[in-house]
Amino acid sequence: EAGVTQFPSHSVIEKGQTVTLRCDPISGHDNLYWYRRVMGKEIKFLLHFVKESKQDESGMPNNRFLAERTGGTYSTLKVQPAELEDSGVYFCASSQIGKGGLFMDNEQFFGPGTRLTVL
Amino acid sequence: AQSVTQLGSHVSVSEGALVLLRCNYSSSVPPYLFWYVQYPNQGLQLLLKYTSAATLVKGINGFEAEFKKSETSFHLTKPSAHMSDAAEYFCAVTLSGGYNKLIFGAGTRLAVHP
Repeated sequence: EAGVTQFPSHSVIEKGQTVTLRCDPISGHDNLYWYRRVMGKEIKFLLHFVKESKQDESGMPNNRFLAERTGGTYSTLKVQPAELEDSGVYFCASSQIGKGGLFMDNEQFFGPGTRLTVL
Repeated sequence: AQSVTQLGSHVSVSEGALVLLRCNYSSSVPPYLFWYVQYPNQGLQLLLKYTSAATLVKGINGFEAEFKKSETSFHLTKPSAHMSDAAEYFCAVTLSGGYNKLIFGAGTRLAVHP
C-alpha cells in the first residue's frame, strides 16, 4: 500500500512568487491534515479536511494560504504571494474516519514533507 | 489550551546506553499522547500512543513510554540505544474525542555514538 506522498520534495522560490504544494493521501483516508515546521520550531497544525470539506482551518496563518481538496482525494496548498517567513517544511498527513464517525486515536500517517525556501 | 514541552533539543548517548527523551504536556481534559520519529529524508512515523488504556505503552523498535498524570509527563525510553535510533523525536498531544489535530513539541534530536 502506498503511503502519503507529497510533491515537490523541495521548492525554492523568490519572494512574491506563487507556489503550490500537493499531497496525495493514502487511498480511502477521508481525513487529510496539513502541518508546517518553520526552522527550529515545533510542527504546527494548519488545517484539516474531512473528504472535500474543511473541518478546521484555525492554523492557517493568513489569507495568502489557500488549501483545496477537490473530490476528496488529493489536496493542494497554495501560497500566493510567498513571503520569507513562509520558508519551512510542509507536512501532509492522512487518517481514516474512526468507528461511529469519531476521529479519536486513529493514527495519522505522514508524508515526507515539502521543504519550501523563499528567497 | 494544550501544549507540549520537550526538554532538550539535542540528546547524545552511547550505543548500548539508556535512551530517555522527556515530554511534559498540559491539557485541560484527558489527552491522547503520541511519540513520532523522523529519520532523515522521511516522514514522521508513529512510535507509540497513549489513549487512556494502559499507562505503560510499548511501541516499535524497543521504545516505550509511561503516562504519569500526576507529573503530566510522557517520557520516552529505550533500554539500549542502537546506532539506527539516531533521528528526531516528537512528542504530540491531542484531545480525546476531539478532531485529532496534533499539538507537537519542538522535537529532540537523538545522536548515538559508538
